[in-house]
Amino acid sequence: GQQLNQSPQSMFIQEGEDVSMNCTSSSIFNTWLWYKQDPGEGPVLLIALYKAGELTSNGRLTAQFGITRKDSFLNISASIPSDVGIYFCAGQRSNDMRFGAGTRLTVKP
Amino acid sequence: KAGVTQTPRYLIKTRGQQVTLSCSPISGHRSVSWYQQTPGQGLQFLFEYFSETQRNKGNFPGRFSGRQFSNSRSEMNVSTLELGDSALYLCASSLSLRTGGKLDSPLHFGNGTRLTVT
Repeated sequence: GQQLNQSPQSMFIQEGEDVSMNCTSSSIFNTWLWYKQDPGEGPVLLIALYKAGELTSNGRLTAQFGITRKDSFLNISASIPSDVGIYFCAGQRSNDMRFGAGTRLTVKP
Repeated sequence: KAGVTQTPRYLIKTRGQQVTLSCSPISGHRSVSWYQQTPGQGLQFLFEYFSETQRNKGNFPGRFSGRQFSNSRSEMNVSTLELGDSALYLCASSLSLRTGGKLDSPLHFGNGTRLTVT
């Protein structure tokens, strides 16, 4: 089940604005992943983080693996309408993988 | 490179029936895991198969079962369907065991099978 605290639950922003969302956990993870899911589709991997403190970018998306290994952040810069969707974080370690509840992003043109 | 393929995309069944869902992983991926996604519970892990063996199992009743074939393709079966089984069932593949090894490989999801039980 969902044992990662992901916030915010939803965001309504204007096109062009930057977005930040985060996931926290009481447990340490070896890998943090960020996925985006469009309606009726499966989650698509956006960014994978493998090392504490790692900062990785994928176009306008930037994610960081928290130094404590208990959190991760995703930033989207200069949002566009196609950024609409639900963003999920996932924490993974050798014998466990957990998901956040998702952040639903709405972008107003 | 083809992604994870799930069939069928949509399925409508009645209570008490059984259903089989199919998943073809990305070529070269040996691990296949299954998830149930509902608005209330989010993504919940069902089970994972690697080299035709179930390696890990989530907290679901025995009505939920699966198998993996030698070509890594996997099927999931749900027997005696209940209304609460209505959900999006997602299959994901990865190079190595999701639940094991020092180098975790990320999951790649299919588009899911939307199951409606009436």
